[in-house]
Amino acid sequence: DVKVTQSSRYLVKRTGEKVFLECVQDMDHENMFWYRQDPGLGLRLIYFSYDVKMKEKGDIPEGYSVSREKKERFSLILESASTNQTSMYLCASTLGGGYIQYFGAGTRLSVL
Amino acid sequence: DAKTTQPTSMDCAEGRAANLPCNHSTISGNEYVYWYRQIHSQGPQYIIHGLKNNETNEMASLIITEDRKSSTLILPHATLRDTAVYYCIVDPGSNDYKLSFGAGTTVTVRA
Repeated sequence: DVKVTQSSRYLVKRTGEKVFLECVQDMDHENMFWYRQDPGLGLRLIYFSYDVKMKEKGDIPEGYSVSREKKERFSLILESASTNQTSMYLCASTLGGGYIQYFGAGTRLSVL
Repeated sequence: DAKTTQPTSMDCAEGRAANLPCNHSTISGNEYVYWYRQIHSQGPQYIIHGLKNNETNEMASLIITEDRKSSTLILPHATLRDTAVYYCIVDPGSNDYKLSFGAGTTVTVRA
């Protein structure tokens, strides 16, 4: 089974802090994604990466950056956390094209 | 992009089949229908997908009407662990792989 592991299930940070969310997949998948999920707004794509050191902006990249130094790891960085970044963050991966994406358990981030 | 319409919620008795409908009347000929579910406080989980033929895997069956304007996800023997929000989506074929969920159907399986 594909396993996508997110480093934390719950995280509480202060406004202005730099926050790192880590995601690791064990199936040699090319594509990795970061989404956030908010009530009433559904799933929104922040960034995705189709190869090592490659990244593409999604729909809501402002306030976020990403890093993919190794194929299995995709990191989401909140440069200066703000309260409106309180959300559930979901990492996903997929081998090639298509919509069969494998998700991690999610990180619920609270920014106070 | 083809839009999908699902009922807001439905209940199902444990051990019975759960039939989840989805309307996608504007679907194009080469667009696939995908189903995901999300159990509370977990990440979404892929269930099944299809184009025009009925599909079955270890989790569920997918029945797509001949005109492809609607589909039904069938959980053959629902268990309490199947309680989740179920999302029906259509692959827009834009190759950006961006998933976009609507509100989905909240399925509650009752003992």
